[in-house]
Amino acid sequence: GEDVEQSLFLSVREGDSSVINCTYTDSSSTYLYWYKQEPGAGLQLLTYIFSNMDMKQDQRLTVLLNKKDKHLSLRIADTQTGDSAIYFCAEWPPGNTGKLIFGQGTTLQVKP
Amino acid sequence: EPEVTQTPSHQVTQMGQEVILRCVPISNHLYFYWYRQILGQKVEFLVSFYNNEISEKSEIFDDQFSVERPDGSNFTLKIRSTKLEDSAMYFCASSESRGGIKVFFGEGSRLTVL
Repeated sequence: GEDVEQSLFLSVREGDSSVINCTYTDSSSTYLYWYKQEPGAGLQLLTYIFSNMDMKQDQRLTVLLNKKDKHLSLRIADTQTGDSAIYFCAEWPPGNTGKLIFGQGTTLQVKP
Repeated sequence: EPEVTQTPSHQVTQMGQEVILRCVPISNHLYFYWYRQILGQKVEFLVSFYNNEISEKSEIFDDQFSVERPDGSNFTLKIRSTKLEDSAMYFCASSESRGGIKVFFGEGSRLTVL
């Protein structure tokens, strides 16, 4: 069945780059997403990538998609303490009526 | 940027009581969703809604749950007889289209069932 897996925790120093990884099972997913959840807050759409792309850059964020390995990553350049949050990977499988499949989230801790 | 708004932000209820969670999706969006996140677990899909009917529902969305768009702006989730295991954060979301692109989530409504 459809499944999305992420590592649970990542700790980096302020100013370093962070790379958050995700694997998914449905190779025919049309879109893949990254959401950010700060403590006590909702899910903020950070970025998304269409499945026919292999890279998307948006300011400090770089998304890499390896369709062959079904691997998605989010790189945050120059990580700041304000980037501390839980990051969720999600896929939108084709042929369904709007169900996003989420990973369990990666907690990013940024140390000063 | 337009946003999805949800009320209440937190509701505490007794087991067996009915609860209604309210959402105002983004105004030009046509597709609406409810998800939930039990503490420490994944965000799970509950139901999608389009053109005044349910498009898809998960196995979690059993007979105690219902959704409604009572007027042109609100989208509600009703839980008829709450159980302890219904305690979770409930997220409303909306999108312009079913095919993807951008799905926007609200801040969530935390439901605590005692």
